[in-house]
Amino acid sequence: GENVEQHPSTLSVQEGDSAVIKCTYSDSASNYFPWYKQELGKGPQLIIDIRSNVGEKKDQRIAVTLNKTAKHFSLHITETQPEDSAVYFCAASTGRGGADGLTFGKGTHLIIQP
Amino acid sequence: AAGVIQSPRHLIKEKRETATLKCYPIPRHDTVYWYQQGPGQDPQFLISFYEKMQSDKGSIPDRFSAQQFSDYHSELNMSSLELGDSALYFCASSLITQETQYFGPGTRLLVL
Repeated sequence: GENVEQHPSTLSVQEGDSAVIKCTYSDSASNYFPWYKQELGKGPQLIIDIRSNVGEKKDQRIAVTLNKTAKHFSLHITETQPEDSAVYFCAASTGRGGADGLTFGKGTHLIIQP
Repeated sequence: AAGVIQSPRHLIKEKRETATLKCYPIPRHDTVYWYQQGPGQDPQFLISFYEKMQSDKGSIPDRFSAQQFSDYHSELNMSSLELGDSALYFCASSLITQETQYFGPGTRLLVL
């Protein structure tokens, strides 16, 4: 089955700086890669996703890049703010039938230092 | 906008008891997913349903079963509960035509 590795497990950055979280996946059939933000005691919230036919996607301060050859995708957050502090999960699925379960990375605890 | 609704939000059970968790998807969503998240861990996919049929299966224990009803809501039934079943249980929903999954607030299950 799919295996998703995520690094780093903890990331501390100064407010206003950029943060980058990296993930690799093992199943070459995976073609859908969402990123979720999870605050303490809450459900994961989708922040951005990318499909395999796209190399990069941006939404305001958040961007995701995908390298299918290397089986690698990354989340970039610019101009970080205190409210960006949370646990971020990358995930992957094959999207074969539209109801595939997601395989998550272990998560990155992002800490924004004021 | 309406979100996924899960009930109950908190549940305390004794070992060997049974529990039923409910999930009401976003209106017009036809697909539901169940995930289990242990403390400090990532969500683990359990099972998904589309049009009342099981669609994908993950690491769901044999003691657990789930179903989806004609109004698209879903229930996760958990029997012979073990201490290790203590976790957050999330339901997510989507349209079958789109991969994007939207998660609910979760049910926190504590097994004593």
